[in-house]
Amino acid sequence: EIVMTQSPATLSVSPGERATLFCRASQSVGSNLAWYQQKPGQAPRLLISDASTRATAIPARFSGSGSGTEFTLFISSLKSEDFAVYYCQQYNDWPLTFGGGTKVEIK
Amino acid sequence: QVQLVQSGTEVKKPGASVKVSCKASGYSFTSFYLHWVRQAPGQSPEWIGWISPETGGGSSAQKFQGRVALTRDTSINTAYMELRGLRSDDTAVYYCALKLGRGNYFDPWGQGTLVTVSS
Repeated sequence: EIVMTQSPATLSVSPGERATLFCRASQSVGSNLAWYQQKPGQAPRLLISDASTRATAIPARFSGSGSGTEFTLFISSLKSEDFAVYYCQQYNDWPLTFGGGTKVEIK
Repeated sequence: QVQLVQSGTEVKKPGASVKVSCKASGYSFTSFYLHWVRQAPGQSPEWIGWISPETGGGSSAQKFQGRVALTRDTSINTAYMELRGLRSDDTAVYYCALKLGRGNYFDPWGQGTLVTVSS
């Protein structure tokens, strides 16, 4: 199965600053990659699909890039509601797999 | 709007079975695949399998094959995930999630069902 590795595990950022999150696949997944945000006690919420397409109602401060094995999620100017855990997920091959997550916390 | 509402918390003993339901509304139930994902405490999500509500066909991850059954009742727009032979490491929040787009990514998700396996 394709192993998804996210880094860093924890990212400490001040509100208003930019955050950069990384996701690496153990083999190429093309552009078949999604990013989710999860807050405590809630289900994950889709942010990005196809590596760079924002989901409906997702603010423009969220953007994604990459293809193949290396992907990045950018949050341009962090707001208080953005402090959460972020997961990447590949859907290029079965079984579908998720990364271990990056926790974005307030610095 | 599109909504997935799941059944409530379950507590089961090792070896028992659990059946979680996922009631869909706000869209044509038979038009889109539903997936099941679980998340153990403090862990990342883990994909279980998918079902086509139209045909009842689907598939599951190899680690769950033989232990999981994904079914649906189109008369009440509800999908089900049954897991048998429960173990303590099956303790997790179980989610149903909708595949609306071209790829197998999930949007939206149900609110989750906590299944606790304990003697």
